[in-house]
Amino acid sequence: DAGVTQSPTHLIKTRGQHVTLRCSPISGHKSVSWYQQVLGQGPQFIFQYYEKEERGRGNFPDRFSARQFPNYSSELNVNALLLGDSALYLCASSLGASSYNEQFFGPGTRLTVL
Amino acid sequence: AQTVTQSQPEMSVQEAETVTLSCTYDTSESDYYLFWYKQPPSRQMILVIRQEAYKQQNATENRFSVNFQKAAKSFSLKISDSQLGDAAMYFCAYIWRGAQKLVFGQGTRLTINP
Repeated sequence: DAGVTQSPTHLIKTRGQHVTLRCSPISGHKSVSWYQQVLGQGPQFIFQYYEKEERGRGNFPDRFSARQFPNYSSELNVNALLLGDSALYLCASSLGASSYNEQFFGPGTRLTVL
Repeated sequence: AQTVTQSQPEMSVQEAETVTLSCTYDTSESDYYLFWYKQPPSRQMILVIRQEAYKQQNATENRFSVNFQKAAKSFSLKISDSQLGDAAMYFCAYIWRGAQKLVFGQGTRLTINP
């Protein structure tokens, strides 16, 4: 079975632009979480979606938004990019929204903001 | 606040030797889960081992084992018979029952010397 997939692998944007990152969960998984990993640090939680509804939000500005589609794939959108948004963005999927469910991570999207 | 601290930014070990990575956490919760994740240069976050806080027995997965000290809020990872493929960033993480987000430490970079 395919694992969590993310696209694109890398992208470069300039300040003020908008970006959309995509994630496809493992087949059968209904929950998707997004994390931001700045270089040299551990991942920070951004959002969790389950059954197309937002179940949790981290301490990120409103420039960050996400959604989940009927097939459980997800998009993370970031508006008005800042230099500080440069990071590895990780998507994780799990069977359900319970804290007991193991989260499986994708390879990430490396975003560079110039 | 729920925090996870890894006090060793870098560790190195000779191949076939044993190494222990440290992790402490701060929580007021009594029911939670602890994890060690491995992140190789390929960036894919892989679960190494998990521990339920209500279980007194330390978790073991082949060459990987943990020393879980609940009263001390300590959760160290022991890697026995270290192999070159163990070289990676290791992150300690925590989630409490009912929560949506994993809380990660800053990571420990493990180098294996041949």
